[in-house]
Amino acid sequence: KAGVTQTPRYLIKTRGQQVTLSCSPISGHRSVSWYQQTPGQGLQFLFEYFSETQRNKGNFPGRFSGRQFSNSRSEMNVSTLELGDSALYLCASSFSGTSGQETQYFGPGTRLLVL
Amino acid sequence: AQKITQTQPGMFVQEKEAVTLDCTYDTSDPSYGLFWYKQPSSGEMIFLIYQGSYDQQNATEGRYSLNFQKARKSANLVISASQLGDSAMYFCAMREDINAGGTSYGKLTFGQGTILTVHP
Repeated sequence: KAGVTQTPRYLIKTRGQQVTLSCSPISGHRSVSWYQQTPGQGLQFLFEYFSETQRNKGNFPGRFSGRQFSNSRSEMNVSTLELGDSALYLCASSFSGTSGQETQYFGPGTRLLVL
Repeated sequence: AQKITQTQPGMFVQEKEAVTLDCTYDTSDPSYGLFWYKQPSSGEMIFLIYQGSYDQQNATEGRYSLNFQKARKSANLVISASQLGDSAMYFCAMREDINAGGTSYGKLTFGQGTILTVHP
């Protein structure tokens, strides 16, 4: 099975712009989660989508939003970019197997640099 | 308070030797999951091993084992027979379970990570 894919892998934007990142989960996985990783704050949870509905949300401002499509692919959008949004954005997909617990499998990430 | 604490910023180990990476956690939830991930310099987070709070036995996956001490709230990762390719950042993470419809899910809370360097 192909792993989680994220596009683009690298992105450079300027302050005030907006950006959209894309994530394609592992085939059969219906849940997609997004995380932000920075040297200062570490890994922080943004939000999770399951069956096109936001199932869980972290403590990020409303500039960060996401959505999930019927094929489970997900996008996250950051509007009015700030320098502090420079980070590695990781997407993870999961499914509930026979054990009933979901393990998150991560993609390679999108490195966003805001100038 | 930190929910996940990894007290070792960096660890060094000789190739073929075993190494233990420490992780302590803090939760009052009875149902939770503990995970270890490996992050090479490329950035991708690679799932290594999982331990559920109700699991009686320590989890093992090949050269990886999780030393789960529930009363002490610790979930240390043991890597046996280290290889050069094991050099990476290692993260411990906890999921405080949301249980619905027979499924346990939830966000992952990560520790700050431990950089492991394997010497030849």
